Amino acid sequence: GESVGLHLPTLSVQEGDNSIINCAYSNSASDYFIWYKQESGKGPQFIIDIRSNMDKRQGQRVTVLLNKTVKHLSLQIAATQPGDSAVYFCAETPYNNNDMRFGAGTRLTVKP
Amino acid sequence: NAGVTQTPKFRILKIGQSMTLQCTQDMNHNYMYWYRQDPGMGLKLIYYSVGAGITDKGEVPNGYNVSRSTTEDFPLRLELAAPSQTSVYFCASSRRQGDGYTFGSGTRLTVV
Repeated sequence: GESVGLHLPTLSVQEGDNSIINCAYSNSASDYFIWYKQESGKGPQFIIDIRSNMDKRQGQRVTVLLNKTVKHLSLQIAATQPGDSAVYFCAETPYNNNDMRFGAGTRLTVKP
Repeated sequence: NAGVTQTPKFRILKIGQSMTLQCTQDMNHNYMYWYRQDPGMGLKLIYYSVGAGITDKGEVPNGYNVSRSTTEDFPLRLELAAPSQTSVYFCASSRRQGDGYTFGSGTRLTVV
């Protein structure tokens, strides 16, 4: 079946550098995409979302890019901080669907 | 606001025992969800509800039951617990379909 996956299971960056976390999806009907951050022992926390009619969306220090042609999603974190260390999940869902599918996650570690 | 509250945070069950995982939200969200998260895996949808009195199966509903008698509460029932149900369970809610989810902090369940 359709699935959401991530290119890299772990990512280690130096404090202050920019981070890029990638996600591939296979469901061409997906209309809505979200990035979540999960810190140890906590539930996932919404970071940023994007709909399929957009290519880019920016938040505070975060940018999500969507390439529908190759079914690829990325999360860019500017000036990565130690507090950004967590597991990051991408999730996708088709329009008018209640089954949001999550990838396995990428663990981001920020080195001081 | 408390957001989404889950109880208990931890529980150990013996094979064949039953229990109810509690979930309540104070945001007046119509949509509520139960996910399980296995180690190194993404979240998988167990059941969801689009409003009081309405529930539906997700990707992995076997061995679980839910009810939604009020907007605030969405308990998850495990009957005849099995080791395969050892997991971390997350409850989530959203105001409407197509919105990002607010997650609870999770219940870590071990079945021995």
